[in-house]
Amino acid sequence: GDSVTQMEGPVTLSEEAFLTINCTYTATGYPSLFWYVQYPGEGLQLLLKATKADDKGSNKGFEATYRKETTSFHLEKGSVQVSDSAVYFCALRGGYQKVTFGTGTKLQVIP
Amino acid sequence: DTAVSQTPKYLVTQMGNDKSIKCEQNLGHDTMYWYKQDSKKFLKIMFSYNNKELIINETVPNRFSPKSPDKAHLNLHINSLELGDSAVYFCASSQEQGRAETQYFGPGTRLLVL
Repeated sequence: GDSVTQMEGPVTLSEEAFLTINCTYTATGYPSLFWYVQYPGEGLQLLLKATKADDKGSNKGFEATYRKETTSFHLEKGSVQVSDSAVYFCALRGGYQKVTFGTGTKLQVIP
Repeated sequence: DTAVSQTPKYLVTQMGNDKSIKCEQNLGHDTMYWYKQDSKKFLKIMFSYNNKELIINETVPNRFSPKSPDKAHLNLHINSLELGDSAVYFCASSQEQGRAETQYFGPGTRLLVL
């Protein structure tokens, strides 16, 4: 079945540091890939997505590129802010009507 | 206006009780979901309804019963609550767009079973 593996957290960075959160997946066919973010006390919300190989999703300074050859969708941001502190979920949607989420990576940004 | 709303936000109850959580979406979406998030933030799908019809039913104890009176509402009833049911329950909705569809989540219901 489909699966998503993302790096364990928590990840602690200083403000303005570079962020990478790794995500790899296993799926049959050609899934769409997503990053969702969950701020403290809230539900998840879509951060960005990519629907085919080599697509780059971007939003709020975050980027991720759909790499079919390495089955990866790593999340990056050049300069994090305290307000980026949240839990980040990598997810995929394949041919079935179900989204598979990774286990989440907690990011803490300190001033 | 809240796109996906859930009530109650917090629910504290005793083992063995029966409780319900309600969800409503005003986005006009066809599909709604229930997820369970445990204390380690692991998110697991429980149920999905499309136009009031059950389409996903993961391995969930039959103490959990979803009900969709119309496509804007998906409620979750839990019988004989157990300690292990303590978690955050999220409702979500989406409009069928194939693989590209985005899910919209509610704020969650924090259930604590004592």
